[in-house]
Amino acid sequence: TQLLEQSPQFLSIQEGENLTVYCNSSSVFSSLQWYRQEPGEGPVLLVTVVTGGEVKKLKRLTFQFGDARKDSSLHITAAQPGDTGLYLCAGEYTGGFKTIFGAGTRLFVKA
Amino acid sequence: DAGVIQSPRHEVTEMGQEVTLRCKPISGHDYLFWYRQTMMRGLELLIYFNNNVPIDDSGMPEDRFSAKMPNASFSTLKIQPSEPRDSAVYFCASSHSGTGYNEQFFGPGTRLTVL
Repeated sequence: TQLLEQSPQFLSIQEGENLTVYCNSSSVFSSLQWYRQEPGEGPVLLVTVVTGGEVKKLKRLTFQFGDARKDSSLHITAAQPGDTGLYLCAGEYTGGFKTIFGAGTRLFVKA
Repeated sequence: DAGVIQSPRHEVTEMGQEVTLRCKPISGHDYLFWYRQTMMRGLELLIYFNNNVPIDDSGMPEDRFSAKMPNASFSTLKIQPSEPRDSAVYFCASSHSGTGYNEQFFGPGTRLTVL
């Protein structure tokens, strides 16, 4: 079974702190997506990374794809209460549209 | 666009009853996915369709689960008979192959409780 492991599983921080969430696998992915899910809603796409070593920024969020396209990280600078949610990474298998999701990192930012 | 539409939003039923969940994907999207989310197992892919044809149903847990996509704008996930362990949030998502990547748009989910 191919797995996508996320760490940490849970993170509770104060507003203004920085944090990094990791997504790791032994599999190579053709692309990797990050989603954020809020309670009672479906996941919402944040970004797609495709090229090994790629870095993408979305305001205070920085996403990086590993050189071997097996892992990724999400760094949030100066976290705000609005960043609270479940962050999910999803790896897309090569040759198809099938995607596997990690278990997620549940982030809580305290004001 | 209204986004992915799912109904009902909440379903409470008794063990043994048939449950049908419905999904309307975003117009123009050619891929449709059904997922189940629980605290214990996270987000699990059950089945996905491409151009209304089932491509991979290896995630469907048992024969009690079935899914259909009679046309490009409608899909159903049926559980018959339902069991308490089927209680979960079921999501439908759609995507468009034209982007080259599986960037999925999720519906709001159906929270199923089987008593």
